[in-house]
Amino acid sequence: TQLLEQSPQFLSIQEGENLTVYCNSSSVFSSLQWYRQEPGEGPVLLVTVVTGGEVKKLKRLTFQFGDARKDSSLHITAAQPGDTGLYLCAGAPWYGGSQGNLIFGKGTKLSVKP
Amino acid sequence: EAQVTQNPRYLITVTGKKLTVTCSQNMNHEYMSWYRQDPGLGLRQIYYSMNVEVTDKGDVPEGYKVSRKEKRNFPLILESPSPNQTSLYFCASSLLAGGPGDTQYFGPGTRLTVL
Repeated sequence: TQLLEQSPQFLSIQEGENLTVYCNSSSVFSSLQWYRQEPGEGPVLLVTVVTGGEVKKLKRLTFQFGDARKDSSLHITAAQPGDTGLYLCAGAPWYGGSQGNLIFGKGTKLSVKP
Repeated sequence: EAQVTQNPRYLITVTGKKLTVTCSQNMNHEYMSWYRQDPGLGLRQIYYSMNVEVTDKGDVPEGYKVSRKEKRNFPLILESPSPNQTSLYFCASSLLAGGPGDTQYFGPGTRLTVL
């Protein structure tokens, strides 16, 4: 069974601080996605990374895909209360190369206090 | 408005009483999928469908059935619900099954309680 381990599980920080969330696996993924989920809603896609070593930026969020395509990180600069939510990584296993069987990490619950 | 809809949003039922959770998307998406979300376990895929009449098991298919008779609908069927199926269920769809950057759109969720 392929697993995606996310860390930390919980993160509580003050507004303006920086943070990094990690998503690690022993398996190779053809692509990796990051989602954000707010209470009472479904996850919303933030970004997809595809190429090993790829870095993508979305305003204050920076996403990186590991060179070996087994891990990824999400870095938030100057966090704001609006960043509060559950962050999920999800990987498409290498063998399929498709989203047929998408595997999710357990999530990182972020709380940003004003 | 492009969206994935699920019904019902909340359901309390009893063990053994068959139920269906409907899922519909209006984006002409090929791919649809069902997940359950549980505290400490995260999102786990139940079943997915790459196209009409094509379905396959995800990681936790036991106790569930699905069908994909038409592109827009992908109902989740619990023939004999049990308390361990109490969970938050999400339906999702994407334009194509596979390919980088293929955005998956999630429905609002169905909170199911089986007594």
